[in-house]
Amino acid sequence: EPEVTQTPSHQVTQMGQEVILRCVPISNHLYFYWYRQILGQKVEFLVSFYNNEISEKSEIFDDQFSVERPDGSNFTLKIRSTKLEDSAMYFCASDGGSGKRYEQYFGPGTRLTVT
Amino acid sequence: EDKVVQSPLSLVVHEGDTVTLNCSYEVTNFRSLLWYKQEKKAPTFLFMLTSSGIEKKSGRLSSILDKKELFSILNITATQTGDSAVYLCAVERGNNDMRFGAGTRLTVKP
Repeated sequence: EPEVTQTPSHQVTQMGQEVILRCVPISNHLYFYWYRQILGQKVEFLVSFYNNEISEKSEIFDDQFSVERPDGSNFTLKIRSTKLEDSAMYFCASDGGSGKRYEQYFGPGTRLTVT
Repeated sequence: EDKVVQSPLSLVVHEGDTVTLNCSYEVTNFRSLLWYKQEKKAPTFLFMLTSSGIEKKSGRLSSILDKKELFSILNITATQTGDSAVYLCAVERGNNDMRFGAGTRLTVKP
């Protein structure tokens, strides 16, 4: 069964450093998303991406964040200058394949630890 | 402000019990409501609801949406220990924006 994959599974970085989180959505999906979940808290929407552009972003997704689909398969989230409060699990999700909108499939997540 | 509120926050039952999880919402430009199950890591999709009063079923799980009263319920009958998880309700607004509730942590004891 096709699945969303994410790399790395765990990333440790120092405050102020840039990180890039990588995702490979399901191949025939058209809509891509990033969410984050701070430990013990709820899942929060960051951004959605369709047709090579951001279609919606939350108030969390400020100028420190950017997304890119550099080729036909990868979907990346970049955090330019990480802060301690960016420590969280980051989930990528995709949907829109075979006419099934909104049935989002989530990747396993990348745990980001900012020290 | 848009919000998605789930209740209860946590629930402990014994195998064989039936549980009802609640999700109420206040969002602008509602498109759909989704239920997810989150065990150790990533949420997995359970149901998507767009129309009021139409029950969706999958095995022992079922869900229904009331768009007039702005809530949904997720029922699990004959619970098993494998049902232990956090159940997330999410509401999709226009333009691909999803808001999640805080989740209900269900623990099913043998």
